[in-house]
Amino acid sequence: SQQGEEDPQALSIQEGENATMNCSYKTSINNLQWYRQNSGRGLVHLILIRSNEREKHSGRLRVTLDTSKKSSSLLITASRAADTASYFCATDASNDYKLSFGAGTTVTVRA
Amino acid sequence: KAGVTQTPRYLIKTRGQQVTLSCSPISGHRSVSWYQQTPGQGLQFLFEYFSETQRNKGNFPGRFSGRQFSNSRSEMNVSTLELGDSALYLCASSFKLAGNTGELFFGEGSRLTVL
Repeated sequence: SQQGEEDPQALSIQEGENATMNCSYKTSINNLQWYRQNSGRGLVHLILIRSNEREKHSGRLRVTLDTSKKSSSLLITASRAADTASYFCATDASNDYKLSFGAGTTVTVRA
Repeated sequence: KAGVTQTPRYLIKTRGQQVTLSCSPISGHRSVSWYQQTPGQGLQFLFEYFSETQRNKGNFPGRFSGRQFSNSRSEMNVSTLELGDSALYLCASSFKLAGNTGELFFGEGSRLTVL
């Protein structure tokens, strides 16, 4: 089974609104990463947050991490049509050179 | 700097055939990972290579194999193809040498259709 699970599975918002998606995981992690994937293409790294960090910002992105609840959230502020994509969280749970990906949240931004 | 290059981008095979996919990492990256993406199973880890050594392998049958060359380029092979092998195969490279997994840089993928 996958380490990370995203919620919701799909999200539809109006341009300019904020989009929030959540990720829950099962085991202790070294870090948690968020990726974006445009339809049928490769994944693009958005942000990495380490287990000893609680919040991180990058442009319009804000990521939080709560290791006590084994959860993370990704907030995209002032969304644009170009933000339409699938978003995946991925966890690095041990020093085994792999990431475990969640099922993803599909975000649609309506003009 | 050129990104991760995967070839071919699209291919169609029939059951029982074999396929070889190629991946050229970003210059200077010595770690290469492969993932399989399907609508039903999502992104599943296949294997990771560093300096021609496989450091980890996912839970896939022995029909799935890979290798890495001295120039860090990597190939994966799937033998005796099954319909369920239809997927987007993604290669990713990383600068991280050891320990925690850092940022992965993905290629555009090779979309395999098995008929």
